[in-house]
Amino acid sequence: DVKVTQSSRYLVKRTGEKVFLECVQDMDHENMFWYRQDPGLGLRLIYFSYDVKMKEKGDIPEGYSVSREKKERFSLILESASTNQTSMYLCASSQGLSIYGYTFGSGTRLTVV
Amino acid sequence: QKEVEQNSGPLSVPEGAIASLNCTYSDRGSQSFFWYRQYSGKSPELIMSIYSNGDKEDGRFTAQLNKASQYVSLLIRDSQPSDSATYLCAVKETENAGNMLTFGGGTRLMVKP
Repeated sequence: DVKVTQSSRYLVKRTGEKVFLECVQDMDHENMFWYRQDPGLGLRLIYFSYDVKMKEKGDIPEGYSVSREKKERFSLILESASTNQTSMYLCASSQGLSIYGYTFGSGTRLTVV
Repeated sequence: QKEVEQNSGPLSVPEGAIASLNCTYSDRGSQSFFWYRQYSGKSPELIMSIYSNGDKEDGRFTAQLNKASQYVSLLIRDSQPSDSATYLCAVKETENAGNMLTFGGGTRLMVKP
């Protein structure tokens, strides 16, 4: 069965810390995405990548960066965590230009204190 | 800006009834349409996809697409309390590269025993 794995289910970090959220997929998908989801605001796209070493800004990239050194891994980095980055973070992947939808990871609930 | 609109709900139906979830989209050239189910605190799970006008049935679920009206719906027959979740509509728009989806805000469904 296809899988997108996010390294942590729950994380608590302090304000100002550098935070790494890891996402690994085993489906050889070209496309990978990072979203955050907050009550009443829906899914908001942070960054996405269509290929190794390639990245594109989504709708809310401020305060975040990403890294994709290998096809299967897409990392989201919070350079200096702030309380307004407390959220559910969802990674997703999809195949090339196919007609199929995304496969989501199980999510990371990040709390910044 | 291209949009996908859903009534946020909650939509409350009695057990055994038909639940009807609706979604409208703004990009007339959209090609692929998806329904995701998301339980509270969990990540979205793909339950239906539809690509051409008409109905597509899978078990208790039926997706309906009307491209002329820019409308896609999900019917859940014989609704069960376990169907209580938020349902996200997602659309793949023609001008996107890399299989980008645009998500609606979701409709919360409550099935009462």
